[in-house]
Amino acid sequence: GNSVTQMEGPVTLSEEAFLTINCTYTATGYPSLFWYVQYPGEGLQLLLKATKADDKGSNKGFEATYRKETTSFHLEKGSVQVSDSAVYFCALSGAGGTSYGKLTFGQGTILTVHP
Amino acid sequence: DVKVTQSSRYLVKRTGEKVFLECVQDMDHENMFWYRQDPGLGLRLIYFSYDVKMKEKGDIPEGYSVSREKKERFSLILESASTNQTSMYLCASSPYGTDSQETQYFGPGTRLLVL
Repeated sequence: GNSVTQMEGPVTLSEEAFLTINCTYTATGYPSLFWYVQYPGEGLQLLLKATKADDKGSNKGFEATYRKETTSFHLEKGSVQVSDSAVYFCALSGAGGTSYGKLTFGQGTILTVHP
Repeated sequence: DVKVTQSSRYLVKRTGEKVFLECVQDMDHENMFWYRQDPGLGLRLIYFSYDVKMKEKGDIPEGYSVSREKKERFSLILESASTNQTSMYLCASSPYGTDSQETQYFGPGTRLLVL
């Protein structure tokens, strides 16, 4: 079946540090890949997405590239801010036939950024 | 902006009670989803619906049922609550489509404690 594996957290960084959160997946076919973010006390919101191989999704300084050869979608940001403290989820959909956009999530990575 | 609302932010119930969690979206979306979120497990799909009165089981449907009588409302029902159903419950919706590329929009979540 489909699965998503994220690097274990929590991740603690100082402001302006470089961020990488690793995400790899297992899926049949050609899934779409997503990063969702959950700020404290809120629901999830889309951060970025990529729908085919070699696509790069980007938003708010975050980037991720869909790498089919390594089945990866790692999240990066060059300089994190305190306001980036949140839980980050990697997810996929669309693998293996009609999906209605059902998402398979990774376990989430807690990011804390200190001033 | 898309708005997905959930009837309660916090709920405390006793073992054996019947529990209703309500979700309403205001963007005329066809697809609606119920997930539960647990630390270290990410989000797992309980049920989804792609049209009024249409529903399909997700990955962990046992102990749950759903109802969708109107397009904007999707209810999750715990027929007889148990302590292992203590969790955060998240509702989401997305526009029409059988493909994988649509963004899901999430509500703020209901934190349920079953005593």
